[in-house]
Amino acid sequence: ETGVTQSPTHLIKTRGQQVTLRCSSQSGHNTVSWYQQALGQGPQFIFQYYREEENGRGNFPPRFSGLQFPNYSSELNVNALELDDSALYLCASSLKLAGATDTQYFGPGTRLTVL
Amino acid sequence: AQSVTQLDSQVPVFEEAPVELRCNYSSSVSVYLFWYVQYPNQGLQLLLKYLSGSTLVKGINGFEAEFNKSQTSFHLRKPSVHISDTAEYFCAVSDLRGSNYKLTFGKGTLLTVNP
Repeated sequence: ETGVTQSPTHLIKTRGQQVTLRCSSQSGHNTVSWYQQALGQGPQFIFQYYREEENGRGNFPPRFSGLQFPNYSSELNVNALELDDSALYLCASSLKLAGATDTQYFGPGTRLTVL
Repeated sequence: AQSVTQLDSQVPVFEEAPVELRCNYSSSVSVYLFWYVQYPNQGLQLLLKYLSGSTLVKGINGFEAEFNKSQTSFHLRKPSVHISDTAEYFCAVSDLRGSNYKLTFGKGTLLTVNP
């Protein structure tokens, strides 16, 4: 069984640039959630994708967007990067069945630094 | 909306001593409860979860937690810690009301086990 993988591991961007982070879900999972973890804080929910559509969103501006592909992998895109976007971005996959959802399993994260 | 309070930001203990990491939550509806562990420069690993049934939940690495509905608490315990337990621990809740089961995390407790 393959776990959740994320790429790249680390990324450095400058303010105003755009970035794309990638996530491959655990085998058998159909749902992907993204979280932002600022230094010294707990993760905060950005959004979730299920059946290639956004299924809930946290308190993040529209410049944070995402995609889910037919193989259930996902991308997180952030436009017009700001210094405060520097954080660890975590992807979690889970299996949603019949209105219920199982536990979320996390990947190792992508460390984004915005200069 | 739900919230999670981890009452201690740092807990130092000696090896082989018992430890309790405290977590209180606030929610107007039923929730699922989780503890995750994060080792330095890594993602989150699930320690244990409470979905329903017995209020005493056993997890990996000898950890256990007890759900107390009247006190809205979900404290994590281990009777004898090891150096390798040094890590950040996060308590999280998942709202059963919505369809995305997003996780709301506390700010974390840094457990440091000293020899």
